[in-house]
Amino acid sequence: DTEVTQTPKHLVMGMTNKKSLKCEQHMGHRAMYWYKQKAKKPPELMFVYSYEKLSINESVPSRFSPECPNSSLLNLHLHALQPEDSALYLCASSQERTGTGANVLTFGAGSRLTVL
Amino acid sequence: GDSVTQMEGPVTLSEEAFLTINCTYTATGYPSLFWYVQYPGEGLQLLLKATKADDKGSNKGFEATYRKETTSFHLEKGSVQVSDSAVYFCALTVTSGTYKYIFGTGTRLKVLA
Repeated sequence: DTEVTQTPKHLVMGMTNKKSLKCEQHMGHRAMYWYKQKAKKPPELMFVYSYEKLSINESVPSRFSPECPNSSLLNLHLHALQPEDSALYLCASSQERTGTGANVLTFGAGSRLTVL
Repeated sequence: GDSVTQMEGPVTLSEEAFLTINCTYTATGYPSLFWYVQYPGEGLQLLLKATKADDKGSNKGFEATYRKETTSFHLEKGSVQVSDSAVYFCALTVTSGTYKYIFGTGTRLKVLA
């Protein structure tokens, strides 16, 4: 199994809603990532979990709250979002860093979020 | 700081044409270099990688050579197909113990039949 599965594929929410994005991988990868991608732009790193602990938070607003319940699952909890948060949210995973530094990312298909 | 610069798109080619997408980088230390591809409506997927100078990555007819002297990692394919239409991202990671990728801005390729 070489997949990263993200649900839902599409999500529409109001600014007062609370929702969650989910990500799952069964490749035994120990690092998991959330990226945000706006149209015609590269992915922007939001969070990195390593061995289920938050390793990197790229100064993301607190209305985005990540959670890593176990080594296979990664959630992104959303609350009081703004219309400018509308984007494609990508989950990715990778093995622990090797000595070569070739830390290949495996991406999911993404969750397209629209905030009204 | 570390950075990746890609040629602006979109690039429009006829089927069976030769493709080059330029990528240059700035990095401290010894980066690993990657090309990722994003098909419409999908996430990114690894196309090829190279971890040291003079390495050549290749996959699905695409090639790129890690050139330390010119700090470049240009993507090439001898004969493109309509199915190659996608956005291509050049990227690097540095061996500094972090998990960060530096992505280029992406180059959109459109191949016409």
